[in-house]
This record gives sequence, C-alpha cells and structure tokens, in this order.
Amino acid sequence: GQSLEQPSEVTAVEGAIVQINCTYQTSGFYGLSWYQQHDGGAPTFLSYNALDGLEETGRFSSFLSRSDSYGYLLLQELQMKDSASYFCAVRVIDKIIFGKGTRLHILP
Amino acid sequence: DGGITQSPKYLFRKEGQNVTLSCEQNLNHDAMYWYRQDPGQGLRLIYYSQIVNDFQKGDIAEGYSVSREKKESFPLTVTSAQKNPTAFYLCASSIDGGGMNTEAFFGQGTRLTVV
Repeated sequence: GQSLEQPSEVTAVEGAIVQINCTYQTSGFYGLSWYQQHDGGAPTFLSYNALDGLEETGRFSSFLSRSDSYGYLLLQELQMKDSASYFCAVRVIDKIIFGKGTRLHILP
Repeated sequence: DGGITQSPKYLFRKEGQNVTLSCEQNLNHDAMYWYRQDPGQGLRLIYYSQIVNDFQKGDIAEGYSVSREKKESFPLTVTSAQKNPTAFYLCASSIDGGGMNTEAFFGQGTRLTVV
C-alpha cells in the first residue's frame, strides 16, 4: 500500500523560516508535490519534485530525496497569510495520493 | 476563464437517500479525481478516471459510484450504502493520469451533511 507521514501541526513566528517534512512509502513513485489549503477552501498547488534536489519558487522551496523517500517544504519570511494546512502528495503511476496534512500556526 | 466547478457548495441529504455531486472542468484535462476530506484525515481518494468511459476505485470507494461519459464531467453519487457520508468532497483534475505531471486543480468543494 501507500502511506505518507507528515507532522500534524507546526508553529512558527512571523518572519521566520519553517520546514515541513514528509516521508512516504509507495510503489510506482513518480514525484512529490505540495499543496496549500486555507480553512474552507480548495487545495492549491505549490511545487513538484520529480528528481532529487531543491526547487525554489519565491519564498517557498521544496526538497526531495528519492533514496530516503523523504521530502520537505521550506517556507521563508513567514507571513500571517501563510497560516494554512499543507499537504504532501505523491504521484503513483496514475493517481495522486495525499498525506493527512500539517497545520501551520504563525505567531505574530 | 478555465477552471473546475463543483456544485452545489452545500448539500443536505436525508438518511437513506442517494445524492449526486457535480464536477465539471473546461481545462481539457484527461484525468479527474474525487477526494473526501474529514477533519484530521487529509484527502482520501474515492474514485479517479484517466479517460472517458473508464474509472478506477480509490482507497474508500465503498458506498460511492461515478461515471465518466464526457471528458468534462465526472459526477459522484453518494449512495445510501455509504455509512458516514457527512464530509467535504473535493473534485480535481490534471492534464493526464500518468507520467511526470502531477499538478492537480481543485474545485471549491461540496460540503455534504446528512440530516
């Protein structure tokens, strides 16, 4: 079967940096992606890693290590609007499987 | 504007009744997905479809049914056999169902409540 593990909650201070980790156990893995979801809203795509290494998109970066079945999302210069849930997701052959999500709390 | 539309936004159903949730996309995407979201459970895959007239069960397909008669449409029926149907339902689409592309576009969701 497939499983993804990520912390249920993370707390950080406005302006700081936070890292959300994700470990996965899947077969037929193609890549790891990250989504953001605000309360009551729809998930929106943030990033995708198919190969090992770091991908940077503005304040957000995502990392993948295929050999370790591990990835993380790095959020820099945190803003209050970044308070949301963040999901890692894996592409497995013909479907997308999501983790349970990490709730990010930001303190002023 | 291209996008994916779910309707209705809120839906109330009496126990024992079937109900159908609509999902339409004009992004010309081949793949479509239905997820269920409960508090603390993340997004769980119900059904998915890569092409017209073909679909596969996800992890929690029991009590649900789908059809894919048109590329643009992927309706989900919650049947009376679903024991705990109250949840937030999300429909998504992606360019294709396989390969390297993994960006999924989501609708705004339907919140179903059984009364």
